[in-house]
Amino acid sequence: QLQLQESGPGLVKPSETLSLTCTVSGASISSYTYYWDWIRQPPGKGLEWIGGIYYSGSTYDNPSLKSRVTISVDTSKNQFSLRLTSVTAADTAVYYCVTDYWSGHPYFDYWGQGTLVTVSS
Amino acid sequence: DIQMTQSPSSLSASVGDRVTITCRASHSIASYLNWYQQKPGKAPKLLIYAASSLQSGVPSRFSGSGSGTDFTLTISSLLPEDFATYYCQQSYSNPRTFGQGTKVEIK
Repeated sequence: QLQLQESGPGLVKPSETLSLTCTVSGASISSYTYYWDWIRQPPGKGLEWIGGIYYSGSTYDNPSLKSRVTISVDTSKNQFSLRLTSVTAADTAVYYCVTDYWSGHPYFDYWGQGTLVTVSS
Repeated sequence: DIQMTQSPSSLSASVGDRVTITCRASHSIASYLNWYQQKPGKAPKLLIYAASSLQSGVPSRFSGSGSGTDFTLTISSLLPEDFATYYCQQSYSNPRTFGQGTKVEIK
């Protein structure tokens, strides 16, 4: 069974960089059928897609984040990572890593449990 | 970006009720529409993909329909475990976008 687990600091200071890692188990991150994505959810609010990466390193992201996002993959560790620079309080959210099944009609089928990141001094 | 608008934002219903949630896209998205269920403190769970295909393991009381810009999620007979927030999401184009959510509460 495919499983995803987010890890990283739960508290980040304003203007600094948020860094999270997602460890994939039960499947190879080099799978042909998945992109590996990040989605976030501010407390009490809706879901926002951040972006994703293919095992080859090809990425796509949400223009609303104004080029603050970097997503990378480490196939040797079966992990992918998110960096979000110049964070503000508006970046406080639960961050989920998810599988993006992209063949045919894409959908997000496996989700990590989520990790709350608070931006505060 | 394609905007997704759900209605209603919340509803109160009783166990056994038939519940319908609608989702409207700002542009045609063919059948590139997915539905998720989220319970408090938990990650969302995929219910329906490609507008009407039931994800493996999801009970058959859940169904989806629609194409183009208008879609519906129907729960044929509400069970206690169905009280949750439901989101639609388009996968027609990037950036992927979600509706604002519909909270289904106990009457």
